[in-house]
Amino acid sequence: DTAVSQTPKYLVTQMGNDKSIKCEQNLGHDTMYWYKQDSKKFLKIMFSYNNKELIINETVPNRFSPKSPDKAHLNLHINSLELGDSAVYFCASTWGLSGYGYTFGSGTRLTVV
Amino acid sequence: AQKVTQAQTEISVVEKEDVTLDCVYETRDTTYYLFWYKQPPSGELVFLIRRNSFDEQNEISGRYSWNFQKSTSSFNFTITASQVVDSAVYFCALTRNTGNQFYFGTGTSLTVIP
Repeated sequence: DTAVSQTPKYLVTQMGNDKSIKCEQNLGHDTMYWYKQDSKKFLKIMFSYNNKELIINETVPNRFSPKSPDKAHLNLHINSLELGDSAVYFCASTWGLSGYGYTFGSGTRLTVV
Repeated sequence: AQKVTQAQTEISVVEKEDVTLDCVYETRDTTYYLFWYKQPPSGELVFLIRRNSFDEQNEISGRYSWNFQKSTSSFNFTITASQVVDSAVYFCALTRNTGNQFYFGTGTSLTVIP
């Protein structure tokens, strides 16, 4: 009964490949996010969707494309992977546009070789 | 603009010592939320506490306590009688009431030496 689940937990892939990370939440939240944690542990928001609509799109290469088929899912597709994309990616969800009640997934460690 | 500063990059303490992790934040909002998260070596983000800007009461939960002072824009975290299992990276974060994204500090890596 995991609240926010991400798959896969680990992903190792070669440069140039295309990969996807999936996120699902069963909390009934209507807002979902992707955060990136770099090698120095710095956490920064990438995208935010509210009711399937993109509301935050930080300065992220357009090789990264989020897709929200419904309120419970937010997937992250990455094209033409580069070494610098290696990081831990966290999905999160909350209710509404308030900063209250965030829940994070357990993270996906992406390694590009 | 919102900003969270954790000036302590790494801290090492001997088991059973008390340790305080500092967090200073910047915001012009009157309504906001402050958080502490723990990230153990396994990598997940573990929620520790949330405070809203109107609640300056200090909080204690077992060996953990938090000191929220709006006058100094600080939200410090103290671990009493530290244990090896407390070894982790600790993040302080802020969200706005209507901005919906987290602004994280850079984290403090705590090592508790047995």
